[in-house]
Amino acid sequence: ELKVEQNPLFLSMQEGKNYTIYCNYSTTSDRLYWYRQDPGKSLESLFVLLSNGAVKQEGRLMASLDTKARLSTLHITAAVHDLSATYFCAVDTHQGAQKLVFGQGTRLTINP
Amino acid sequence: DADVTQTPRNRITKTGKRIMLECSQTKGHDRMYWYRQDPGLGLRLIYYSFDVKDINKGEISDGYSVSRQAQAKFSLSLESAIPNQTALYFCATRASSNSPLHFGNGTRLTVT
Repeated sequence: ELKVEQNPLFLSMQEGKNYTIYCNYSTTSDRLYWYRQDPGKSLESLFVLLSNGAVKQEGRLMASLDTKARLSTLHITAAVHDLSATYFCAVDTHQGAQKLVFGQGTRLTINP
Repeated sequence: DADVTQTPRNRITKTGKRIMLECSQTKGHDRMYWYRQDPGLGLRLIYYSFDVKDINKGEISDGYSVSRQAQAKFSLSLESAIPNQTALYFCATRASSNSPLHFGNGTRLTVT
C-alpha cells in the first residue's frame, strides 16, 4: 500500500529566506504532483513530475523528483508573503488503478 | 464559470439523514474522483470512476455510495450521516494518467 509522508507539517519562515519541503513515498512510482491550497479554497496544481530527475520551476518555487530515493522536494527561494499556503504532494499508484495518494500537507507561513 | 462545480457549497445535516453531494464538469474528462479532507490527514480517496460503467472504491468508501449519471456528473451519497463524516469534500477530474487532478471548490459538510 502506497504511503506518502511530508515534512515538515508546519513551517514558519521569514521573507527572504530559503527552505525545502520534503515528500517521501513508500512504493515505486514515477509520477508525482504538487498542489497549493489557500485557506478555505480548493487545490491548485503547481507541478507535474513524470520521470526520475525531473525538475520544474515556477517563480520562487522549484520541484524535483528522485524516484530511486522515492523522494520529491519543493524548494522555496527568497520567500515572499504571497507564498503562504498549504502545500500537498500526491503520488500516483504505479500499477493497477491509477489514483493519487496525498501527503498530509505542509502549512507554510511566511512572516514579513 | 468553474470547470468542476460542486453543490451545495455548505451543508449542515443531522445524524441519520441521507444526503447527496453533486459534482458536474465541463472539462470532458472521463475520470472523476471524490476525496475527503480532514485537518492533518491530507486528502483521502472515497470513490473514483473511469467512465459511466466503471466505479471503484477508494480507501475510505464505507458509509458512502456514488452514482455516475453521465460522463459529466458524479454524485456522492451518505446513506445515514454520522458526525465523523463532518469534513470538506472535493470532487476532481483528470484527463489522463499523466495529468494532474482538477478540483471543484469543495463542499463543507457538518453532521450534528
